[in-house]
Amino acid sequence: MAGITQAPTSQILAAGRRMTLRCTQDMRHNAMYWYRQDLGLGLRLIHYSNTAGTTGKGEVPDGYSVSRANTDDFPLTLASAVPSQTSVYFCASSDSGGANVLTFGAGSRLTVL
Amino acid sequence: GQNIDQPTEMTATEGAIVQINCTYQTSGFNGLFWYQQHAGEAPTFLSYNVLDGLEEKGRFSSFLSRSKGYSYLLLKELQMKDSASYLCAVRDSNYQLIWGAGTKLIIKP
Repeated sequence: MAGITQAPTSQILAAGRRMTLRCTQDMRHNAMYWYRQDLGLGLRLIHYSNTAGTTGKGEVPDGYSVSRANTDDFPLTLASAVPSQTSVYFCASSDSGGANVLTFGAGSRLTVL
Repeated sequence: GQNIDQPTEMTATEGAIVQINCTYQTSGFNGLFWYQQHAGEAPTFLSYNVLDGLEEKGRFSSFLSRSKGYSYLLLKELQMKDSASYLCAVRDSNYQLIWGAGTKLIIKP
């Protein structure tokens, strides 16, 4: 495994169900992020974590929660999915120095019906 | 509000040169990034500009003018594999990234 692994790759979910998107990195990056990408819009930050044990809200946090128990893992939970949460979700990480370039996972395509 | 503007779509010919523009209005500036995203894939880093001027990296170059709130990505000797979306992002004064909606580049033979 190298980089960022996201799971599942794709999921269809009934509205009202709980869903957790998993994200694991092996680069020992301090910072991790969750973005959603919708057609015609730029990437929008949902939640972020600057280091293990801390999290923060991004631009569109409502309906989502995250945890950062350790450096490697950063799961995103939808407590009760709604159709407007249909999107492609990208997990990303960055190191602390220099340009803080983001490395992205392959994405999780979520459809809420 | 904060805003990043890029053309929605551009078409160019294989072997040619194309320039993708990005204008921004943000609360402060701490660097501008270009990422490439092939359809159905993750964005990948192309370039980073924090000072005015041109950064060259092989066939790709990126230019920044902070006073004009303007950047461009220049792609030379276009190849079919360059067909992708190109995302411009600016890091603001809070070190948060503001993303443009991306420019879809179509390369024709």
